[in-house]
Amino acid sequence: GDSVTQMEGPVTLSEEAFLTINCTYTATGYPSLFWYVQYPGEGLQLLLKATKADDKGSNKGFEATYRKETTSFHLEKGSVQVSDSAVYFCALRSGNTPLVFGKGTRLSVIA
Amino acid sequence: NAGVTQTPKFQVLKTGQSMTLQCAQDMNHNSMYWYRQDPGMGLRLIYYSASEGTTDKGEVPNGYNVSRLNKREFSLRLESAAPSQTSVYFCASRHDVRSRRFQETQYFGPGTRLLVL
Repeated sequence: GDSVTQMEGPVTLSEEAFLTINCTYTATGYPSLFWYVQYPGEGLQLLLKATKADDKGSNKGFEATYRKETTSFHLEKGSVQVSDSAVYFCALRSGNTPLVFGKGTRLSVIA
Repeated sequence: NAGVTQTPKFQVLKTGQSMTLQCAQDMNHNSMYWYRQDPGMGLRLIYYSASEGTTDKGEVPNGYNVSRLNKREFSLRLESAAPSQTSVYFCASRHDVRSRRFQETQYFGPGTRLLVL
């Protein structure tokens, strides 16, 4: 079945550091890919998405590129802020089915 | 729009007690979902409803029942709570459009924290 693997955390960075959170997937068909973010004490919210190969999703300074050849959708940000501290989930959907989530990566940014 | 709302926000139960978690959405979405979130496990799907009148099991349905009361509401019931059901429960909804190739955004509620003693 479909699955998502993302790097285990926690990830701790200093403010203004570069962030990469790796995400790879296995899917039948041609999935759409998503990054969701969960701030402390809240539900998940969509951060960005990409629906076909080579698409780049972007939002709030975060970017991820849909790489079909490497089955990856790594999340990047050039300069993180304390307010980016959260749990980040990679997810996919390859049919008229529920989202499949990775286990989440906790990011802590220190001033 | 309130989006996806969940009640209660927090609940403590004793082993064997029953309770129903309520979820409602005001976005006219056709699909609704219940997940549980546990440390190190990410989100695991309990049940979902692709449309009013239908429900399907997810990854971890044992010990739970659901009701899609109408298009807006999707409740999750624990008939006899167990300590293993201590978790944070999230409801979500999505509007599925067949022509849009699975790119629709899924919206989440704020969660219900459940502690079973």
